[in-house]
Amino acid sequence: LAKTTQPISMDSYEGQEVNITCSHNNIATNDYITWYQQFPSQGPRFIIQGYKTKVTNEVASLFIPADRKSSTLSLPRVSLSDTAVYYCLVGEGPGSSNTGKLIFGQGTTLQVKP
Amino acid sequence: NAGVTQTPKFQVLKTGQSMTLQCAQDMNHNSMYWYRQDPGMGLRLIYYSASEGTTDKGEVPNGYNVSRLNKREFSLRLESAAPSQTSVYFCASLIRRGPNQPQHFGDGTRLSIL
Repeated sequence: LAKTTQPISMDSYEGQEVNITCSHNNIATNDYITWYQQFPSQGPRFIIQGYKTKVTNEVASLFIPADRKSSTLSLPRVSLSDTAVYYCLVGEGPGSSNTGKLIFGQGTTLQVKP
Repeated sequence: NAGVTQTPKFQVLKTGQSMTLQCAQDMNHNSMYWYRQDPGMGLRLIYYSASEGTTDKGEVPNGYNVSRLNKREFSLRLESAAPSQTSVYFCASLIRRGPNQPQHFGDGTRLSIL
């Protein structure tokens, strides 16, 4: 199983770009990388998913280098409402070698200040 | 379309009591999961069901049992509740049919054991 490692916490200010990096050294060939956001008292919510290079959607970008041993979630121009815990997860997606056992890491607590 | 529905939302038990947490999804997903989240901590996988008719242990299965009743429903049972099982329990489901089809989470069951 691919284990993930993230910074425990990060601080930022409104309007800044935030980059959160996740290490997953033993990612399998068919594994996808997925990022979730969690607010207090709520279940995690999907942000973005990718396999290689760069993926962008309306809320974030995901950068994955060629060796796929890490990934970086980029949040452009954060606001106070982006204060949350962010998790990266390895193994979801079609064709993944993972038969179903999806393990969350400790996550990164992002605090956005005014 | 309700997504993932968990019942009950809150419950208080006494040590030694038993209880079943219910989870149902209406998205025709193949895989279902039970996680627990202790205050200030990340999610830990208790049990999962990769497909109907199968269940497997996650990271922290001791003290719990599960039943995949049918494709829609996946229940979690505490046979003899202990204070260490006080936590928020999240159920999730996953289809793994194509990219960007991640886990969908319920709103959680907040369980306190006295």
